[in-house]
Amino acid sequence: DGGITQSPKYLFRKEGQNVTLSCEQNLNHDAMYWYRQDPGQGLRLIYYSQIVNDFQKGDIAEGYSVSREKKESFPLTVTSAQKNPTAFYLCASHSGGLNTGELFFGEGSRLTVL
Amino acid sequence: RKEVEQDPGPFNVPEGATVAFNCTYSNSASQSFFWYRQDCRKEPKLLMSVYSSGNEDGRFTAQLNRASQYISLLIRDSKLSDSATYLCVVNDYGGSQGNLIFGKGTKLSVKP
Repeated sequence: DGGITQSPKYLFRKEGQNVTLSCEQNLNHDAMYWYRQDPGQGLRLIYYSQIVNDFQKGDIAEGYSVSREKKESFPLTVTSAQKNPTAFYLCASHSGGLNTGELFFGEGSRLTVL
Repeated sequence: RKEVEQDPGPFNVPEGATVAFNCTYSNSASQSFFWYRQDCRKEPKLLMSVYSSGNEDGRFTAQLNRASQYISLLIRDSKLSDSATYLCVVNDYGGSQGNLIFGKGTKLSVKP
């Protein structure tokens, strides 16, 4: 079945370590997104990419990095510079303009910093 | 800063009740509006898009009021399975291209 796969689902990290969250989609979507969700909060955009080899910062990009070397893949690295990395991270994709259609989400990755 | 505001709830209603949520948005240039549903500790999923003329999908009705800059979601004959958080989503037209702004969500709990 087509969809978005995020891994790992749960991840524990020590302070000072970088960690990379994987996001793969087989929907042939051009646009991919990373969001962060904290308890009781809305989703906040970290980075997005509308085409291979191009990506843009969202509202809270500091302490994060991404790459888009392949259409199917949009990994997110949470660096040690991110002050409060414990959160629920959601990857999403979209086939075209955001005026129509839906945003497809992966099941999320829950990161806990010990 | 462009915002999307929702009453966080929780809305506690009995089965069979009708419940309505409102959402206000600050960007008057926004063109696209959506309601997403998010179950506890799960990813959001599109419930329905909101069209200018209003639209209905079974027990769910969405309305848009551009003059007052709010959208609404009405759920009739509530089921236990409707218990979830409902996210209002608005496109940030004129802002960051590709950016949707999510509200913090309204929590609904349907009781037997």
